[in-house]
Amino acid sequence: DAGITQSPRHKVTETGTPVTLRCHQTENHRYMYWYRQDPGHGLRLIHYSYGVKDTDKGEVSDGYSVSRSKTEDFLLTLESATSSQTSVYFCAISESSGTANTGELFFGEGSRLTVL
Amino acid sequence: TQLLEQSPQFLSIQEGENLTVYCNSSSVFSSLQWYRQEPGEGPVLLVTVVTGGEVKKLKRLTFQFGDARKDSSLHITAAQPGDTGLYLCAGQATSGTYKYIFGTGTRLKVLA
Repeated sequence: DAGITQSPRHKVTETGTPVTLRCHQTENHRYMYWYRQDPGHGLRLIHYSYGVKDTDKGEVSDGYSVSRSKTEDFLLTLESATSSQTSVYFCAISESSGTANTGELFFGEGSRLTVL
Repeated sequence: TQLLEQSPQFLSIQEGENLTVYCNSSSVFSSLQWYRQEPGEGPVLLVTVVTGGEVKKLKRLTFQFGDARKDSSLHITAAQPGDTGLYLCAGQATSGTYKYIFGTGTRLKVLA
């Protein structure tokens, strides 16, 4: 199994509070992603990183920010949590080589966030 | 915005039946992947298809990438209870930014 650890695995918080989810990898992979998973929507990309301090927005980035100060850590922050951000959040990593761009995504076990 | 629509959304079948899951888009993807996810876990890669028209087989699972690289299908022959799970297709955007866009998912239940 790929070495990906998400923390916390479960969190309940109140509307308006800040929340940070952490993704830690031991694979030294270049690419890291944050997805959220909601019923009927599959996985939706929030933000991704293609290197240290290099990040870009995904499909549903509003209300979220990220930081990557080290290769191994990718943080997802909800500055002021809302009930619509109740979801299961997955971190993924990938390492592509050459021009084929067929890198496999390895996922963490998910972080379940409930915003009351 | 690139979107991937999967159908059906839910599927409940008896053991031994065959089934096909579809993944469709109006956009072209440089590659397409299929993942399976079990409750409480992250998705796990089943296959990657890259070339238009490509067909790959993984035991009882057959994956096909459309000629125009806009759609894909997953066919399961003689389904077994162990095939139960959420099946997700994922397309890699052609912009070269290593973004993976996931489909809406197909939840499969195979009854013994």
